[in-house]
Amino acid sequence: DVVMTQSPLSLPVTLGQPASISCRSSQSLVYSDGNTYLNWFQQRPGQSPRRLIYRVSNRDSGVPDRFSGSGSGTDFTLKISRVEAEDVGVYYCMQGTHWPHTFGQGTNLEIK
Amino acid sequence: EVQLVESGGGLVQPGGSLRLSCAASGFTFSHHWMHWVRQAPGKGLVWISRITGDGRTTNYADSVKGRFTISRDNAKNTLYLQMNSLRADDTAVYYCVRNSDSWGQGILVTVSS
Repeated sequence: DVVMTQSPLSLPVTLGQPASISCRSSQSLVYSDGNTYLNWFQQRPGQSPRRLIYRVSNRDSGVPDRFSGSGSGTDFTLKISRVEAEDVGVYYCMQGTHWPHTFGQGTNLEIK
Repeated sequence: EVQLVESGGGLVQPGGSLRLSCAASGFTFSHHWMHWVRQAPGKGLVWISRITGDGRTTNYADSVKGRFTISRDNAKNTLYLQMNSLRADDTAVYYCVRNSDSWGQGILVTVSS
């Protein structure tokens, strides 16, 4: 299985400050169709996961533009330009290129 | 609006069986891959099974292969997960997922004597 490794696992951030989460895969996530199926999810306390970013850098509908995704191959990043209180939760990267799809361990974002 | 509503969870003894259902609405169900993802209490997310829109192709994670069966009824817009030979480590919230973009609220399955 493809191993997804996130860092940091805990991320205390001051309101209004930027935040960044790294995600590395044990294999290339480029699929045979040329796409890279790397997604980012947010899971707020007590809620279902919500997809924020698909195929590395595409924001889902309704996702604030302070969230951005970047990367290629095996190395990916989620950035939040200015953290707001509603951003508290656990963030997961997930690869959909190889079966089984796999998630990172999760990064717990909290307000300092 | 896409809606996915899971049902059928609960408490079951080790070795027992349970069938989860996921009622889908707000989109053309037969056009989409559907998936089951689970999350053990306080743990991360694990993708356990998927099925094509026409139901002809299924895949499973090794942890559930041979014990769980995913299926769908496109006439009823419903996804299923038949879970047999349940073990304590199957205890989790089970999510029904469309592609990766829409998730149900989750249903708790507890395997315990």
